[in-house]
Amino acid sequence: DAGVTQSPTHLIKTRGQQVTLRCSPKSGHDTVSWYQQALGQGPQFIFQYYEEEERQRGNFPDRFSGHQFPNYSSELNVNALLLGDSALYLCASSLLAGSQETQYFGPGTRLLVL
Amino acid sequence: AQTVTQSQPEMSVQEAETVTLSCTYDTSESNYYLFWYKQPPSRQMILVIRQEAYKQQNATENRFSVNFQKAAKSFSLKISDSQLGDTAMYFCAFMKPQPGTYKYIFGTGTRLKVLA
Repeated sequence: DAGVTQSPTHLIKTRGQQVTLRCSPKSGHDTVSWYQQALGQGPQFIFQYYEEEERQRGNFPDRFSGHQFPNYSSELNVNALLLGDSALYLCASSLLAGSQETQYFGPGTRLLVL
Repeated sequence: AQTVTQSQPEMSVQEAETVTLSCTYDTSESNYYLFWYKQPPSRQMILVIRQEAYKQQNATENRFSVNFQKAAKSFSLKISDSQLGDTAMYFCAFMKPQPGTYKYIFGTGTRLKVLA
């Protein structure tokens, strides 16, 4: 049973650049959430996708955008990167139907902005 | 807005001993879920245990159990017979389901070190 996968594992960008992170949910899951985890902190909710729509959004600027594809995989895009965007980006998936909201996390993408 | 507080930034315990990690939360909701997640140094978050607020019985998973005090808004995790592999960051999380969506709110974590 394939778990949540994310790519790439690590990424280095410079200020002002754009980045795209990818996530494939656990087999059978239809909902993907993205989190930003700064060093030494807990994950902060960015947004959630279900049925290819953004269902809920946390307190993040419009520079953060996403997409969900028909196969339930998802992308997180960040434009105009800032130094403060350096963090571990976690993807989590679940099965929303049937109230199975327990999330399973991927290994994350470590983004460093120089 | 809901908040989750973990007041112990770091803890240590001897191998085979028992340790309790604290978590408090603030909400006006009556229907919600609480979770403990473990994040080892390899960084993948792993679900440890889940508690539904409507259940009075405390959840248990092998060596892991919770003390859920709904009125006090407290949700502590007890790890019995601690093992070296329990060394990790532990995050408490609150989730309120809504129609067609939900959101997890995490605490700042407790770093647990199990000593040989």
